[in-house]
Amino acid sequence: AQSVSQHNHHVILSEAASLELGCNYSYGGTVNLFWYVQYPGQHLQLLLKYFSGDPLVKGIKGFEAEFIKSKFSFNLRKPSVQWSDTAEYFCAVSRAMYSGGGADGLTFGKGTHLIIQP
Amino acid sequence: NAGVTQTPKFQVLKTGQSMTLQCAQDMNHEYMSWYRQDPGMGLRLIHYSVGAGITDQGEVPNGYNVSRSTTEDFPLRLLSAAPSQTSVYFCASSYGLAGYNEQFFGPGTRLTVL
Repeated sequence: AQSVSQHNHHVILSEAASLELGCNYSYGGTVNLFWYVQYPGQHLQLLLKYFSGDPLVKGIKGFEAEFIKSKFSFNLRKPSVQWSDTAEYFCAVSRAMYSGGGADGLTFGKGTHLIIQP
Repeated sequence: NAGVTQTPKFQVLKTGQSMTLQCAQDMNHEYMSWYRQDPGMGLRLIHYSVGAGITDQGEVPNGYNVSRSTTEDFPLRLLSAAPSQTSVYFCASSYGLAGYNEQFFGPGTRLTVL
């Protein structure tokens, strides 16, 4: 079974600091990768996703993530964070269809609670 | 569009009681799923459905039942509630398979089992 590890459970940064949230997964086959975000009092929403192609993907609100296959990683980055980025961030993985998956949903990491101090 | 709606928002049950968490979507999505979110555990898949009349188990299905009689609705039934089922429950839907499409999440139901 696949698993997803998010290294930092709580991160506190000041505004304008750079952000990198780690995500590693443990599945040897082809995967699809996602970052979801949950702002305080709001629904979970998609930040960005990677299926194939350019390993550097850009999402909403200035976020980007890089897929490094050799490291089984999909780290989330933002060059300059804002107070409004305070939220819980979840990395998620799905096995690709031709690896026998896709229908059975996502495996989520435990989440990283990010607090941005003004 | 209301998106994905869930009722109730909060519920307190006694051990052994049964109840149904409701989930509905108005986006004509084929794929729907239920997750539970526990502190420090992230979201774990309970059951999912790839279309009306088709359901399957996720990672943590024990103690839960689902059915999908219409495209819009995907209720989650707790057969005999246990304290271990205290959690926040999220319903989600997507146009196609969750592994290939953006999932839209409901606001969640916070369930406490005493």
